[in-house]
Amino acid sequence: GNSVTQMEGPVTLSEEAFLTINCTYTATGYPSLFWYVQYPGEGLQLLLKATKADDKGSNKGFEATYRKETTSFHLEKGSVQVSDSAVYFCALSPTGNQFYFGTGTSLTVIP
Amino acid sequence: EAQVTQNPRYLITVTGKKLTVTCSQNMNHEYMSWYRQDPGLGLRQIYYSMNVEVTDKGDVPEGYKVSRKEKRNFPLILESPSPNQTSLYFCASSSRGTYNSPLHFGNGTRLTVT
Repeated sequence: GNSVTQMEGPVTLSEEAFLTINCTYTATGYPSLFWYVQYPGEGLQLLLKATKADDKGSNKGFEATYRKETTSFHLEKGSVQVSDSAVYFCALSPTGNQFYFGTGTSLTVIP
Repeated sequence: EAQVTQNPRYLITVTGKKLTVTCSQNMNHEYMSWYRQDPGLGLRQIYYSMNVEVTDKGDVPEGYKVSRKEKRNFPLILESPSPNQTSLYFCASSSRGTYNSPLHFGNGTRLTVT
């Protein structure tokens, strides 16, 4: 079947620290992979995506590389800011019709 | 402004009392879907629709109904709500329903069933 496993949070970092949120997946075929971000009281917003192996998605200083050999799509940012505090969801879509989300990782960045 | 609008934002009801959560998008998107978000479980897909009059089950469809009579609207219907349907619900839409098109989410509806 299809599933996404994310590292559990919450994660607390100091401003300018390096961020990694691990995500691994199980899927049939060749899914597309996504990271979504959810700010308090809001719906999810797409942060970045990758549609095939070795693709790197990037946005707002965040990056993630589609690693088929390790079935992973880890999220990284070199220097986090207080404004990055949010919940981050890894997701996959094998067909474009159905989406599978991880459990979410809460990030708090302290000044 | 391009957006997905859900109503109501908060809803408290009693077991067995039928309710409808509305969802409307103004982006002319073909694809729409519903999710529920629960602690420790992330988001799980309830139903999705590829276009008008075309709907299909997601991972957790039991206890829910949907309809897609117009392109912009995709209401979620709970005919006989139960306490285990207490959750945060999100509607989302995208163009063409392909993996190249991101999902646009509404701000959520927090439902409590007592």
